[in-house]
Amino acid sequence: GAGVSQSPRYKVAKRGQDVALRCDPISGHVSLFWYQQALGQGPEFLTYFQNEAQLDKSGLPSDRFFAERPEGSVSTLKIQRTQQEDSAVYLCASTKLGAFNTEAFFGQGTRLTVV
Amino acid sequence: SQELEQSPQSLIVQEGKNLTINCTSSKTLYGLYWYKQKYGEGLIFLMMLQKGGEEKSHEKITAKLDEKKQQSSLHITASQPSHAGIYLCGAALTDSWGKLQFGAGTQVVVTP
Repeated sequence: GAGVSQSPRYKVAKRGQDVALRCDPISGHVSLFWYQQALGQGPEFLTYFQNEAQLDKSGLPSDRFFAERPEGSVSTLKIQRTQQEDSAVYLCASTKLGAFNTEAFFGQGTRLTVV
Repeated sequence: SQELEQSPQSLIVQEGKNLTINCTSSKTLYGLYWYKQKYGEGLIFLMMLQKGGEEKSHEKITAKLDEKKQQSSLHITASQPSHAGIYLCGAALTDSWGKLQFGAGTQVVVTP
């Protein structure tokens, strides 16, 4: 596609519900990143994939968060048993080469609200 | 992120005036990125700096990385309403480029 596509754009979940957020990176982009952005804050790193390999997941806040990219293209961020503190915008970014030493393209984000 | 401080937190500038945003790190930067974000939207890439002393310009926006690679500034000349938004600096603080630290952002308002 022309850019990084994320879906859904908005998600309201009841506390305790599981959610899955999807990221379609730019075709051919090797690296994919997930970030969490709370209101009024900068994005916080969650996890990083190079192709299908998850090279860094140090930013995932708890074992309720799980990300995958099984075929090295589309990625899914799953949050189990959502809590109110999970409410945030989840941003996905992709880059052509192996890392960020090149331009990184961000999607529009998924705004998750846990009620 | 406490490792990356952005200032000011917000600023109001009259159309046609210049503005400067600073981004300071407590660690040496392997790379520094400037992004712009409008409320509720994704990040738009502006510029990337890697080398100490590097300076890049695009239209009316200039970004610099100091020689020690611990501070960057973003300067907008003759601001326009289209320059309004949130400016974020993001930095690679290790040679593992996959993990960027972002500042909290600077909200820019341009008044007529």
